[in-house]
Amino acid sequence: EPEVTQTPSHQVTQMGQEVILRCVPISNHLYFYWYRQILGQKVEFLVSFYNNEISEKSEIFDDQFSVERPDGSNFTLKIRSTKLEDSAMYFCASSENIKQYFGPGTRLTVT
Amino acid sequence: QKEVEQDPGPLSVPEGAIVSLNCTYSNSAFQYFMWYRQYSRKGPELLMYTYSSGNKEDGRFTAQVDKSSKYISLFIRDSQPSDSATYLCAMSLMEYGNKLVFGAGTILRVKS
Repeated sequence: EPEVTQTPSHQVTQMGQEVILRCVPISNHLYFYWYRQILGQKVEFLVSFYNNEISEKSEIFDDQFSVERPDGSNFTLKIRSTKLEDSAMYFCASSENIKQYFGPGTRLTVT
Repeated sequence: QKEVEQDPGPLSVPEGAIVSLNCTYSNSAFQYFMWYRQYSRKGPELLMYTYSSGNKEDGRFTAQVDKSSKYISLFIRDSQPSDSATYLCAMSLMEYGNKLVFGAGTILRVKS
């Protein structure tokens, strides 16, 4: 069964450093998303992406964040200058309709 | 008022019990309602989705939506220890490409 994959599973970085989180969505899906989940809190929407552009973004998704689909398979989330409060699980999801399928997540730890 | 409210639990039940999980919401524009299951430190796994009001059944799971009360439920029959997880409700305004708004999740523990 097709699934969303994410790399790395765990990323440790120092405050102020740039990180890139990578995702491979399900191949025939057209809509892509990033969500995050701070430990013990709810899953929060960051951004949605369709037809090579951002379709919606949340207040969390400020100028420090960017997304890209550099080729036909990968979907990336870049955080330019990480802060301690960016520590969270980051989930990529993809869909062809209402059913969004989530990847296993990348645990980002900012020290 | 939070957009989606969900009792975090934990809810502890004996094996074989019927489990009822619930969410309330404030935005009457939500049209699509989903239930996800999340194991510790894993990604959410889609269990069921429903459109508008009514019931939907899939094996041991039944999803129920009451839009007039802004209340959704997930029932699990014959619960098993493997059902122990966090259950997240999620809602969306539109069918295609729209963000999901999640509840906080209810921790369920099924004891053998």
